[in-house]
Order: sequence, then structure tokens, then C-alpha cells
Amino acid sequence: AQSVTQPDIHITVSEGASLELRCNYSYGATPYLFWYVQSPGQGLQLLLKYFSGDTLVQGIKGFEAEFKRSQSSFNLRKPSVHWSDAAEYFCAVGRSGGGADGLTFGKGTHLIIQP
Amino acid sequence: EPEVTQTPSHQVTQMGQEVILRCVPISNHLYFYWYRQILGQKVEFLVSFYNNEISEKSEIFDDQFSVERPDGSNFTLKIRSTKLEDSAMYFCASSAVGEQYFGPGTRLTVT
Repeated sequence: AQSVTQPDIHITVSEGASLELRCNYSYGATPYLFWYVQSPGQGLQLLLKYFSGDTLVQGIKGFEAEFKRSQSSFNLRKPSVHWSDAAEYFCAVGRSGGGADGLTFGKGTHLIIQP
Repeated sequence: EPEVTQTPSHQVTQMGQEVILRCVPISNHLYFYWYRQILGQKVEFLVSFYNNEISEKSEIFDDQFSVERPDGSNFTLKIRSTKLEDSAMYFCASSAVGEQYFGPGTRLTVT
């Protein structure tokens, strides 16, 4: 069975600083990886996904993530955070890029932006 | 931009009562899902649905739960006899091929 670990429960960064949120996965085959963001009281919005090909993927809102198979990681990065980026971030893994497979989520990282 | 919608946004029910949570997936999507998120915990997969039948379900999705697509647009989750531990945010999602799109959720409070 697949699993996802997000080792940081909370991260605080200053507005304008760079950001990296960590995600490690466990899955025996080629994973399909996702990052979702959840603002307070909102649903989950897809930031980006990795299915295959280029290991550096670009997403919305200026986010990017890099898939590193050797480290079983899919870390999320942003060069300069904005106050509006404060939210809960979830990494997820799926067995396929679509179809009926349910996603397995990590516990999330709560991002706090300080002025 | 098309989106997944869910009703109600908040449901309060008494223990032992039946509840039905409703979702309208994105219109051309073929795969539908329910997830739940207990307060402060991670999002957990419950069930997926395709071609009018359950495709996959987790161990959480026991006999108290059922899903249905009663017409061409709605997708429902029924909990037959609610327990206190069913209190959670329930998310519906849908997909065509590829990523899943999530609705805003229904907060279920069982008292």
C-alpha cells in the first residue's frame, strides 16, 4: 500500500522569502504525485501533478515541485511567498494518473506567512 | 470554469440518524469519489464510483455507507446510522482522465 509523509506539521516563512515543503512517498511502482492546497473553509485545489517525463513540474500560483525517485520525494517550492499563500498543503500519491484509484494523502503542512 | 459543488455546506444530525450528502460532479467527468477529513487529520479516501458501480472502497467504507448516482448529475453519499466518529468534513471529487477535482466539502456534525 502506498503512503505519504509530510514531516513538517507547521512552517513559518516571511513574506517574500523562499519556501520548500517536503513530501516523501512510499509506493512500489511508478507513483503519480500531486500537491493540493486548502485555504480555511475551502476545498482542495490542485497546485500541480507529476505523471511522467520532466521531473520538475510547474503549477499554478508560481509553485513548482521536483520528483526525485532516488529519494522518494516530491518537494514543493516557491521562490517568493505571498501572504495569500498561507494555507494547508497536502501531498498525495495515486496508483495511476486517473481512473478510479483513490488518492493517499499526507497529513498536511500548515504554512504561516509572517509580515 | 466548471467546478464540483456540494450541498449542504454544513449538516448537523443526531447519532443514529441517516444523512445524505449531495454532490454535483463536473459534467463530463466519469469517475466520482468521496473522501473525508476528520478535524485536524489527513484527508482519507472512502470510495470511488464509475459506470454506476463502486470501483474501489477503503476499509472505512463499511456497511453503514452507500453511494448512488440517482440521475445524470448528482452523486450522493448516505450514512445509514450516524455515529459520533462520523463527524468530519466530507469531500466529493470527480475526474475525467487524470487529476481529481474536489468540491468545497460538507461539514457533518453528529451530536
